[in-house]
Amino acid sequence: IQMTQSPSSMSASVGDRVTITCRASQDISDWLAWYQQKPGKAPNLLIYSASSLQSGVPSRFSGSGSGTDFTLTISSLQAEDSATYYCQQTRSFPRTFGQGTKVEIK
Amino acid sequence: QVQLVESGGGLVKPGGSLRLSCAASGFLFRDYYMNWFRQAPGKGLEWLSMITDNGRTVNYADSVKGRFTISRDNAKNFLYLQMNSLTVDDTAVYFCARGEYSIAFWGQGTLVTVSS
Repeated sequence: IQMTQSPSSMSASVGDRVTITCRASQDISDWLAWYQQKPGKAPNLLIYSASSLQSGVPSRFSGSGSGTDFTLTISSLQAEDSATYYCQQTRSFPRTFGQGTKVEIK
Repeated sequence: QVQLVESGGGLVKPGGSLRLSCAASGFLFRDYYMNWFRQAPGKGLEWLSMITDNGRTVNYADSVKGRFTISRDNAKNFLYLQMNSLTVDDTAVYFCARGEYSIAFWGQGTLVTVSS
């Protein structure tokens, strides 16, 4: 299953609403996770099952979608949200990731 | 707290072999599926392999199938990745991680460099 994210990079200001999309090449129901990764660090799970917020993750992060089209939203961008974001399908093997979306702060 | 600590990375020549280890602590290791992922320099994340809690079922990415072998020792709380026939394209940071689906716990990674 191929996962396609858009955009590949973006720049936004603190307080902006940010939306990242992820499209699967076939129906994955809600078998989707979103991760945040900062340079030199392991990924950090934000969202699982497409829309469930991982414990400890700020509520400004939310996920939506089902089937083939998914969205990660940051409701009010903070400076510490500068990172690369990845979607991953967990519907079947091989587990596959989107290519990543780099979010920079203006 | 959950801790995953990888070791065994380093510099290896093309065609060579390396075995990565992941020491698990802070949870009942034998109850969890485990994975290996990697990230080439400046590139995205790639899932490599998963092993079930009892070690009886494994899955691999096509890129490593037939060259890499995942295994575990539930008595010692260790996960392993035996890597053979390494190529320059295998240069990456390798992560071990806990979970069957979404991954909440990751190690810090170990760097494998394949170069002559």
